[in-house]
Amino acid sequence: SSELTQDPAVSVALGQTVRITCQGDSLRSYYASWYQQKPGQAPVLVIYGKNNRPSGIPDRFSGSSSGNTASLTITGAQAEDEADYYCNSRDSSGNHLPFGGGTKLTVL
Amino acid sequence: EVQLVESGGGLVQPGRSLRLSCAASGFTFDDYAMHWVRQAPGKGLEWVSGISWNSGSIGYADSVKGRFTISRDNAKNSLYLQMNSLRAEDTALYYCAKGPSSSWTDYYYMDVWGKGTTVTVSS
Repeated sequence: SSELTQDPAVSVALGQTVRITCQGDSLRSYYASWYQQKPGQAPVLVIYGKNNRPSGIPDRFSGSSSGNTASLTITGAQAEDEADYYCNSRDSSGNHLPFGGGTKLTVL
Repeated sequence: EVQLVESGGGLVQPGRSLRLSCAASGFTFDDYAMHWVRQAPGKGLEWVSGISWNSGSIGYADSVKGRFTISRDNAKNSLYLQMNSLRAEDTALYYCAKGPSSSWTDYYYMDVWGKGTTVTVSS
Protein backbone atom coordinates (compact mmCIF):
# COMPACT_ATOMS: atom_id res chain seq x y z
CA SER A 1 0.00 0.00 0.00
CA SER A 2 1.16 3.51 -0.84
CA GLU A 3 2.04 5.99 1.90
CA LEU A 4 0.67 8.70 -0.38
CA THR A 5 -3.07 8.70 -1.02
CA GLN A 6 -4.79 10.12 -4.09
CA ASP A 7 -8.38 10.11 -5.26
CA PRO A 8 -8.65 7.50 -8.04
CA ALA A 9 -10.58 9.73 -10.42
CA VAL A 10 -11.48 13.39 -10.87
CA SER A 11 -13.34 15.17 -13.64
CA VAL A 12 -13.41 18.80 -14.75
CA ALA A 13 -15.31 20.77 -17.37
CA LEU A 14 -13.24 22.17 -20.20
CA GLY A 15 -11.75 25.52 -19.18
CA GLN A 16 -12.54 25.12 -15.50
CA THR A 17 -10.16 24.70 -12.57
CA VAL A 18 -9.41 21.37 -10.94
CA ARG A 19 -7.38 20.41 -7.88
CA ILE A 20 -5.81 16.99 -7.50
CA THR A 21 -4.70 16.14 -3.98
CA CYS A 22 -2.12 13.85 -2.39
CA GLN A 23 -2.17 13.04 1.31
CA GLY A 24 0.54 11.57 3.49
CA ASP A 25 2.30 12.18 6.78
CA SER A 26 5.66 12.64 5.07
CA LEU A 27 4.27 15.67 3.22
CA ARG A 28 4.53 17.62 6.45
CA SER A 29 8.31 17.43 5.98
CA TYR A 30 8.92 16.91 2.25
CA TYR A 31 7.66 18.48 -0.94
CA ALA A 32 5.70 16.45 -3.46
CA SER A 33 6.48 16.27 -7.12
CA TRP A 34 3.79 15.64 -9.74
CA TYR A 35 3.87 13.63 -12.94
CA GLN A 36 1.49 13.48 -15.88
CA GLN A 37 1.15 10.21 -17.77
CA LYS A 38 -0.87 9.79 -20.94
CA PRO A 39 -1.81 6.33 -22.27
CA GLY A 40 1.15 4.48 -23.74
CA GLN A 41 3.62 7.20 -22.76
CA ALA A 42 6.27 7.65 -20.11
CA PRO A 43 5.51 9.97 -17.18
CA VAL A 44 6.39 13.65 -17.50
CA LEU A 45 7.37 15.85 -14.56
CA VAL A 46 4.98 18.82 -14.26
CA ILE A 47 5.65 20.22 -10.77
CA TYR A 48 8.56 19.90 -8.35
CA GLY A 49 9.65 21.55 -5.14
CA LYS A 50 7.55 24.27 -3.57
CA ASN A 51 5.88 25.19 -6.87
CA ASN A 52 8.25 24.87 -9.81
CA ARG A 53 7.47 23.96 -13.40
CA PRO A 54 10.02 22.39 -15.74
CA SER A 55 10.64 24.13 -19.01
CA GLY A 56 7.78 23.54 -21.43
CA ILE A 57 5.08 22.92 -18.82
CA PRO A 58 2.22 25.42 -19.21
CA ASP A 59 1.69 27.90 -16.40
CA ARG A 60 -1.87 26.64 -15.87
CA PHE A 61 -0.19 23.91 -13.76
CA SER A 62 0.68 24.89 -10.20
CA GLY A 63 1.48 23.18 -6.93
CA SER A 64 0.82 23.92 -3.28
CA SER A 65 1.00 22.25 0.09
CA SER A 66 -0.68 22.52 3.48
CA GLY A 67 -0.11 20.20 6.40
CA ASN A 68 -0.17 16.62 5.18
CA THR A 69 -1.72 17.46 1.81
CA ALA A 70 -0.07 18.45 -1.45
CA SER A 71 -2.15 19.72 -4.35
CA LEU A 72 -1.78 20.04 -8.09
CA THR A 73 -4.04 22.69 -9.57
CA ILE A 74 -4.85 23.06 -13.24
CA THR A 75 -6.38 26.47 -13.93
CA GLY A 76 -8.35 26.41 -17.17
CA ALA A 77 -8.11 22.69 -17.95
CA GLN A 78 -7.60 21.77 -21.57
CA ALA A 79 -8.55 18.61 -23.41
CA GLU A 80 -4.87 17.65 -23.64
CA ASP A 81 -4.64 17.65 -19.84
CA GLU A 82 -6.70 14.46 -19.67
CA ALA A 83 -4.25 11.96 -18.20
CA ASP A 84 -3.20 10.09 -15.08
CA TYR A 85 -1.45 12.21 -12.46
CA TYR A 86 0.89 10.84 -9.81
CA CYS A 87 2.41 12.48 -6.76
CA ASN A 88 5.78 11.39 -5.38
CA SER A 89 7.82 12.29 -2.33
CA ARG A 90 10.06 10.87 0.34
CA ASP A 91 8.50 8.61 2.95
CA SER A 92 8.63 9.27 6.68
CA SER A 93 11.88 7.30 7.05
CA GLY A 94 13.46 9.32 4.25
CA ASN A 95 14.78 6.15 2.64
CA HIS A 96 12.10 5.52 0.04
CA LEU A 97 10.40 7.55 -2.65
CA PRO A 98 6.82 6.28 -2.88
CA PHE A 99 4.32 7.34 -5.50
CA GLY A 100 0.68 7.96 -4.83
CA GLY A 101 -1.79 5.57 -6.40
CA GLY A 102 -2.57 8.02 -9.19
CA THR A 103 -5.58 10.13 -10.19
CA LYS A 104 -7.27 9.73 -13.55
CA LEU A 105 -8.33 13.17 -14.75
CA THR A 106 -11.19 13.38 -17.23
CA VAL A 107 -11.83 16.67 -19.04
CA LEU A 108 -15.50 16.91 -19.96
CA GLU B 1 18.94 16.13 -26.34
CA VAL B 2 18.77 14.32 -23.01
CA GLN B 3 17.89 10.70 -23.65
CA LEU B 4 17.51 7.52 -21.63
CA VAL B 5 17.12 4.18 -23.41
CA GLU B 6 16.30 1.04 -21.45
CA SER B 7 17.02 -2.48 -22.63
CA GLY B 8 17.26 -6.03 -21.35
CA GLY B 9 13.62 -6.78 -20.67
CA GLY B 10 11.94 -9.99 -21.73
CA LEU B 11 10.11 -13.12 -20.64
CA VAL B 12 11.69 -14.94 -17.73
CA GLN B 13 10.59 -17.83 -15.51
CA PRO B 14 9.87 -17.31 -11.81
CA GLY B 15 13.00 -17.63 -9.71
CA ARG B 16 15.33 -16.69 -12.56
CA SER B 17 17.40 -13.54 -13.06
CA LEU B 18 17.47 -10.66 -15.52
CA ARG B 19 19.66 -7.60 -15.92
CA LEU B 20 18.26 -4.33 -17.19
CA SER B 21 20.40 -1.58 -18.70
CA CYS B 22 19.81 2.11 -19.30
CA ALA B 23 21.99 4.05 -21.73
CA ALA B 24 22.18 7.77 -21.03
CA SER B 25 23.11 10.52 -23.44
CA GLY B 26 22.86 14.29 -23.81
CA PHE B 27 24.00 15.14 -20.28
CA THR B 28 26.96 14.59 -17.95
CA PHE B 29 25.87 11.24 -16.55
CA ASP B 30 28.20 11.18 -13.55
CA ASP B 31 26.80 14.47 -12.24
CA TYR B 32 23.37 13.00 -11.51
CA ALA B 33 21.55 10.46 -9.40
CA MET B 34 19.46 7.89 -11.22
CA HIS B 35 16.38 5.79 -10.50
CA TRP B 36 14.42 2.76 -11.62
CA VAL B 37 10.62 3.03 -11.52
CA ARG B 38 8.22 0.31 -12.61
CA GLN B 39 4.59 0.08 -13.64
CA ALA B 40 2.68 -3.19 -13.57
CA PRO B 41 0.10 -3.64 -16.33
CA GLY B 42 -2.86 -1.35 -15.68
CA LYS B 43 -1.41 -0.19 -12.37
CA GLY B 44 0.34 2.87 -10.97
CA LEU B 45 3.97 3.87 -10.71
CA GLU B 46 6.24 2.22 -8.15
CA TRP B 47 9.68 3.53 -7.26
CA VAL B 48 12.12 0.60 -7.28
CA SER B 49 15.56 1.99 -6.52
CA GLY B 50 17.76 5.08 -6.56
CA ILE B 51 21.54 5.58 -6.72
CA SER B 52 23.68 8.64 -6.17
CA TRP B 53 26.22 9.93 -8.68
CA ASN B 54 29.11 7.95 -7.23
CA SER B 55 27.12 4.90 -6.03
CA GLY B 56 27.80 6.01 -2.47
CA SER B 57 24.12 6.14 -1.54
CA ILE B 58 21.59 3.56 -2.70
CA GLY B 59 17.99 2.91 -1.76
CA TYR B 60 15.45 0.20 -2.54
CA ALA B 61 11.74 -0.31 -2.21
CA ASP B 62 10.92 -2.94 0.41
CA SER B 63 9.32 -5.07 -2.30
CA VAL B 64 12.67 -5.62 -4.05
CA LYS B 65 15.24 -5.21 -1.29
CA GLY B 66 17.55 -8.22 -1.11
CA ARG B 67 16.58 -9.40 -4.61
CA PHE B 68 17.42 -6.42 -6.85
CA THR B 69 20.73 -4.56 -7.13
CA ILE B 70 21.13 -1.16 -8.75
CA SER B 71 24.50 -0.12 -10.12
CA ARG B 72 26.05 2.33 -12.56
CA ASP B 73 29.12 2.60 -14.75
CA ASN B 74 29.89 6.29 -15.20
CA ALA B 75 32.58 5.53 -17.77
CA LYS B 76 29.91 3.89 -19.94
CA ASN B 77 27.10 6.36 -19.14
CA SER B 78 25.01 3.40 -18.08
CA LEU B 79 22.65 2.41 -15.26
CA TYR B 80 21.81 -1.20 -14.42
CA LEU B 81 19.29 -3.21 -12.45
CA GLN B 82 20.20 -6.79 -11.59
CA MET B 83 16.99 -8.63 -10.75
CA ASN B 84 17.26 -11.99 -9.01
CA SER B 85 14.65 -14.42 -7.67
CA LEU B 86 12.04 -12.90 -9.93
CA ARG B 87 8.37 -13.27 -9.06
CA ALA B 88 5.17 -12.91 -11.05
CA GLU B 89 4.50 -9.64 -9.24
CA ASP B 90 7.71 -8.18 -10.71
CA THR B 91 6.03 -8.19 -14.12
CA ALA B 92 6.03 -4.56 -15.23
CA LEU B 93 7.32 -1.88 -17.54
CA TYR B 94 10.61 -0.70 -16.02
CA TYR B 95 11.57 2.93 -16.48
CA CYS B 96 14.98 4.50 -16.03
CA ALA B 97 14.75 8.07 -14.73
CA LYS B 98 17.22 10.86 -14.05
CA GLY B 99 17.39 12.84 -10.84
CA PRO B 100 18.00 16.61 -10.88
CA SER B 101 21.16 16.47 -8.75
CA SER B 102 23.94 14.18 -7.60
CA SER B 103 21.97 12.95 -4.58
CA TRP B 104 18.78 10.90 -4.88
CA THR B 105 17.65 11.94 -1.40
CA ASP B 106 18.32 15.68 -1.37
CA TYR B 107 16.29 16.35 -4.53
CA TYR B 108 13.90 13.44 -4.74
CA TYR B 109 12.15 13.81 -8.04
CA MET B 110 12.78 12.55 -11.59
CA ASP B 111 13.11 15.09 -14.35
CA VAL B 112 13.76 12.87 -17.37
CA TRP B 113 12.33 9.43 -18.12
CA GLY B 114 13.08 6.77 -20.66
CA LYS B 115 10.38 4.90 -22.56
CA GLY B 116 10.82 1.73 -20.52
CA THR B 117 11.56 -1.95 -21.05
CA THR B 118 9.04 -4.69 -20.34
CA VAL B 119 9.73 -7.55 -17.95
CA THR B 120 7.34 -10.49 -17.86
CA VAL B 121 7.78 -13.16 -15.21
CA SER B 122 5.86 -16.28 -16.10
CA SER B 123 6.32 -20.01 -16.45
